[in-house]
Amino acid sequence: LAKTTQPISMDSYEGQEVNITCSHNNIATNDYITWYQQFPSQGPRFIIQGYKTKVTNEVASLFIPADRKSSTLSLPRVSLSDTAVYYCLVGGIGMPAGGTSYGKLTFGQGTILTVHP
Amino acid sequence: DVKVTQSSRYLVKRTGEKVFLECVQDMDHENMFWYRQDPGLGLRLIYFSYDVKMKEKGDIPEGYSVSREKKERFSLILESASTNQTSMYLCASSFLTGRTGELFFGEGSRLTVL
Repeated sequence: LAKTTQPISMDSYEGQEVNITCSHNNIATNDYITWYQQFPSQGPRFIIQGYKTKVTNEVASLFIPADRKSSTLSLPRVSLSDTAVYYCLVGGIGMPAGGTSYGKLTFGQGTILTVHP
Repeated sequence: DVKVTQSSRYLVKRTGEKVFLECVQDMDHENMFWYRQDPGLGLRLIYFSYDVKMKEKGDIPEGYSVSREKKERFSLILESASTNQTSMYLCASSFLTGRTGELFFGEGSRLTVL
């Protein structure tokens, strides 16, 4: 199983760009990398997903180097409402097959991002 | 919008009681998951299911069982609750294929075992 490692916490200020890196040295060929955001007393919410290179959507960008052993979530111009826990998730979902990481979607411990005024 | 509904937001049970946590999703998802979340430990997978009556152990299945009799419903059972099972329990669902890894979570059930 691909284990993930993220910084425990990060601090930023409103308007800054924030980059959170996740290490996943044992990522498997069929694993995707997905990031989630979680506010207190709520379930995590999907932010972005990628397999390789760069992915961008309306809220974030995800950078994945060629070896895929790490990934970086980039949040442009954060605001106070971006204060949350961010989780990196590595895994794949597919039809059962021996030896795959099917279904065992492993979350890291999460990064507590605090955005200051 | 996808909706994953967990039956109880807050529960208080006594040691030794049998506890049922229910989860229902309305998006015809094949996969359903139960996680528990504890401070400093993040989310840990207890069980998941990719089809009716099918289940697979996650990373911490001890002390738990699950039931999936209908596609939309996934139940987590604590046969004999213990204090170390006090936690936030999160249910999630997803499609079998396609946007792999995109889980839709419920709001959580906070269980306290006294």
